Amino acid sequence: QTVVTQEPSFSVSPGGTVTLTCGLSGGSVTINNYPSWIQQTPGQAPRTLIHNTNTRSFGVPDRFSGSILGNKAALTITGAQADDESDYHCVLFMGSGISVFGGGTKLTVL
Amino acid sequence: QLQLQESGPGLVQSSETLSLTCTVSGGSISNVNYYWGWIRQPPGKGLEWIANIFYGGDIYYNPSLKGRVTISIDTSMNQFSLKLRSVTAADTAVYFCARRGARDAYNYGAFDFWGQGTLVTVSS
Repeated sequence: QTVVTQEPSFSVSPGGTVTLTCGLSGGSVTINNYPSWIQQTPGQAPRTLIHNTNTRSFGVPDRFSGSILGNKAALTITGAQADDESDYHCVLFMGSGISVFGGGTKLTVL
Repeated sequence: QLQLQESGPGLVQSSETLSLTCTVSGGSISNVNYYWGWIRQPPGKGLEWIANIFYGGDIYYNPSLKGRVTISIDTSMNQFSLKLRSVTAADTAVYFCARRGARDAYNYGAFDFWGQGTLVTVSS
């Protein structure tokens, strides 16, 4: 069974930089997993921030960036703002048509 | 602007079948560049992918749910649907529908447009 791992929680100070990661049990995340990152605020629809590893969706501020760091996908927020406080979900496309989500990271800005 | 809207009963009895429909507006469900899918989120937990369908009939299911789930598409109504059989309390969740990029789409493999979600509670 494929398991995608994320930090359960993270905190960042306003104006600070934070990097959230997305790993794959027993393996490495690569660009061929087309990692994407989804932001979810309680009670609202999910919003896709990043797809294809590092491509920002339309209207997403450039303080959000995606990359591969070592054997994981990463989402970096540079200059965090209060309204960045959300849950962040990573999802990998496994090529066999199957998508697998991580457990999500709850980001606190304080 | 593309919009997706989930609809269906908010309460389903245990062991019965959960049925949901997603209505797509502002774009065609027959677009060759996209798949259409269902994702759910149990209360307080993460997102779980359920299934995807292409208008031409190509279908993928989450292996952990395969056998209980059926996804279908109605191009004449610009809708796609989900049926989940033999539900239990563990199937209580907010169910989202979303669009996923196909091979030639700008967002291959990724979901871009999402519905607002609908809460389905399984009661015993």
